[in-house]
Amino acid sequence: GAVVSQHPSWVICKSGTSVKIECRSLDFQATTMFWYRQFPKQSLMLMATSNEGSKATYEQGVEKDKFLINHASLTLSTLTVTSAHPEDSSFYICSAMPLGSDINEQFFGPGTRLTVL
Amino acid sequence: GQNIDQPTEMTATEGAIVQINCTYQTSGFNGLFWYQQHAGEAPTFLSYNVLDGLEEKGRFSSFLSRSKGYSYLLLKELQMKDSASYLCAVMDSNYQLIWGAGTKLIIKP
Repeated sequence: GAVVSQHPSWVICKSGTSVKIECRSLDFQATTMFWYRQFPKQSLMLMATSNEGSKATYEQGVEKDKFLINHASLTLSTLTVTSAHPEDSSFYICSAMPLGSDINEQFFGPGTRLTVL
Repeated sequence: GQNIDQPTEMTATEGAIVQINCTYQTSGFNGLFWYQQHAGEAPTFLSYNVLDGLEEKGRFSSFLSRSKGYSYLLLKELQMKDSASYLCAVMDSNYQLIWGAGTKLIIKP
């Protein structure tokens, strides 16, 4: 149980284009989903917390107009990287916290590797 | 500020035991998590401690001392597949996870 999927698993795009990444909880409902970014050999960096039906909460330094987050249902959150640039190339990982979880454990998706040319 | 410290890299031998330490300073405490992350993959949950003491789960055990702001992950009977990064994360008073930089564990035959 507690499986989280991400799509696509990898994407290559041209500079200036937008890329949408989907995060789905497959066998549980999640009111809260998290979006992380991880650069090579670095730890996870929380970008934003996504709550179903409300606006996402962005971490300091993360541009909300560049990284659009939509959490339309209890099983789906999307991250859109708008006007992507080479410096946005990274490993983007989502996680979901099951509704009613006792320990607030986060289950992670497999990640999306974005390369911007 | 909030801070999680763990060694950058450790090396151990197949079949042996290794202990990965984690110290933390956070605003509040709502539990400590250990995750395993293989290169190029997302983290997978290993353990959770919220009370002092040792939690054992198969070959992996995790210990917590809240008064010392300290935890360790103990891996027994090491296997080559245990080569990975091990991430320590603390949930603060806002229920936000604060992540350590991870410890890269290298297993040698």
